[in-house]
Amino acid sequence: DAGVIQSPRHEVTEMGQEVTLRCKPISGHDYLFWYRQTMMRGLELLIYFNNNVPIDDSGMPEDRFSAKMPNASFSTLKIQPSEPRDSAVYFCASSLGYDHEQYFGPGTRLTVT
Amino acid sequence: AQSVTQLDSQVPVFEEAPVELRCNYSSSVSVYLFWYVQYPNQGLQLLLKYLSGSTLVKGINGFEAEFNKSQTSFHLRKPSVHISDTAEYFCAVSDPSGAQKLVFGQGTRLTINP
Repeated sequence: DAGVIQSPRHEVTEMGQEVTLRCKPISGHDYLFWYRQTMMRGLELLIYFNNNVPIDDSGMPEDRFSAKMPNASFSTLKIQPSEPRDSAVYFCASSLGYDHEQYFGPGTRLTVT
Repeated sequence: AQSVTQLDSQVPVFEEAPVELRCNYSSSVSVYLFWYVQYPNQGLQLLLKYLSGSTLVKGINGFEAEFNKSQTSFHLRKPSVHISDTAEYFCAVSDPSGAQKLVFGQGTRLTINP
């Protein structure tokens, strides 16, 4: 298996622009997680899905952030409008669920200027 | 609620020396425990996990960890480190009967000096 795939790997955008991050989980995995990593706050869970349904979005910072999972093989995290404080590395992870082990993608490094 | 404390934010050691990275957790229920490693500019990779059974868990790259329920600890050890072990290490905990999400510690940056 190719593992968790994220795109793009790097994104540079200007403040106010819409940003869409993409994730393809490992085939057969029924949980998908979105994380944000910064030096100041470490690794934060933003939202997670089970069988394409959002289960817990309490980590989503504000209404500017939204996430969708239209099918078992694709998820998006959208920021609109983006702000400089959104600059971070965003990780997607997936799991089978029975032992809670999560498999992480390589991340998307977002820079908002 | 569960929480994880990694007692050292940075650990410098010399090559071929032993290392221990400390992790303590707080939970009112039984736990699953994990150690992940993050190499520069990469995602997190599982080193090892404790689900049940033997309290000594062996993982990849020569690492091992011991689950100590009475001390609520899950310290990571390696008898002899290599330059390639330079990375950030994260301890994580989850509730086996609860939500799927992992609670991560703040990470320990391991630096190996020649």
